[in-house]
Amino acid sequence: EDQVTQSPEALRLQEGESSSLNCSYTVSGLRGLFWYRQDPGKGPEFLFTLYSAGEEKEKERLKATLTKKESFLHITAPKPEDSATYLCAVGDYGQNFVFGPGTRLSVLP
Amino acid sequence: EAGVVQSPRYKIIEKKQPVAFWCNPISGHNTLYWYRQNLGQGPELLIRYENEEAVDDSQLPKDRFSAERLKGVDSTLKIQPAELGDSAVYLCASSPSGVRDTQYFGPGTRLTVL
Repeated sequence: EDQVTQSPEALRLQEGESSSLNCSYTVSGLRGLFWYRQDPGKGPEFLFTLYSAGEEKEKERLKATLTKKESFLHITAPKPEDSATYLCAVGDYGQNFVFGPGTRLSVLP
Repeated sequence: EAGVVQSPRYKIIEKKQPVAFWCNPISGHNTLYWYRQNLGQGPELLIRYENEEAVDDSQLPKDRFSAERLKGVDSTLKIQPAELGDSAVYLCASSPSGVRDTQYFGPGTRLTVL
């Protein structure tokens, strides 16, 4: 059974203080690892898809990386508008799709 | 391009009452998903459709939950009768074809069962 865990559960940063969020997974055969952002009262918003170990993707202040067992979402010089819950999910070759519980990020001005 | 549309946005009902949620996916997206998200947790898949066929409903509580996707476009998720533990946000998502693709989510319906 596919499993996804995320750490930390919550993270509070000062504006400009860089950090990383972790997503650890076990999956029968990784088809893709997905990062989403979710603001309060809204549905998840797609950020990145990673398909193979060693792959990296960037978008503004965010950079996602992937190894065989985990993924990291690096946030460089965050701003208050980066405050949200960041969700990680994995899809496998059996067409299963599982989300992790998320990391709640707060960036203080 | 219009996103995934869901209605209603909020619903408050008494336990044992029926409730239905509606979803209109992004035009051209063949795959439609219904998720349930409890407070502080990630979304959990309830059912996935490929066109009008339910291809994964293993997590759908079939004693009280039902879903349909007529003509492979809009979808309705129903709960009858609702229980207190059904209080959650119900999310609909769509993708062009299968779980290999990015999923686009609607805003969700927040259900409160009293």
